[in-house]
Amino acid sequence: GENVEQHPSTLSVQEGDSAVIKCTYSDSASNYFPWYKQELGKRPQLIIDIRSNVGEKKDQRIAVTLNKTAKHFSLHITETQPEDSAVYFCAASRVSYIPTFGRGTSLIVHP
Amino acid sequence: KAGVTQTPRYLIKTRGQQVTLSCSPISGHRSVSWYQQTPGQGLQFLFEYFSETQRNKGNFPGRFSGRQFSNSRSEMNVSTLELGDSALYLCASSPGTGAGETQYFGPGTRLLVL
Repeated sequence: GENVEQHPSTLSVQEGDSAVIKCTYSDSASNYFPWYKQELGKRPQLIIDIRSNVGEKKDQRIAVTLNKTAKHFSLHITETQPEDSAVYFCAASRVSYIPTFGRGTSLIVHP
Repeated sequence: KAGVTQTPRYLIKTRGQQVTLSCSPISGHRSVSWYQQTPGQGLQFLFEYFSETQRNKGNFPGRFSGRQFSNSRSEMNVSTLELGDSALYLCASSPGTGAGETQYFGPGTRLLVL
């Protein structure tokens, strides 16, 4: 089965800095890579996703990059704000399969 | 559309008891997945139901079981509760047609086993 490793487990940044979270996956057939954000006491929600036919995708301050050869993908958040503080989960899956999630990264943005 | 709902939101049980959790998916979604979330372990997949059949299963003991009804609502049962079963249990729904689908999560049921 798929195995997803996520690093770092905790990331502390100053407001305005950039934050990068990295994930690696094991199944070369995986072709869908979503990222979820879970604020304290709330449910995980999709913030961005990328499919294997695309190398990069951006949505305002967040972007995701995918390197299929190396089997890793990353979440980039620029100009971080205190409301970005949350736990972020990466996931990987292939068609008709349930996504496998990483263990999560707790992002702390200090004002 | 209404989001995914879960009941109850909080539960306190003692060791050895059993518990049933309920999940109502987004209207039209036929796939319901269950996850266990504990600090440091992230989201661990329990099982997925699609059209009343278990389609995928994670690596959990047989004490964890589930079912899905014809209206796509799903229940999860944990028998002979252990202290380590204390966790947030999340369900998620998706259309179930594959091709990389977004999982829409419910608010979760927080289970405390004493």
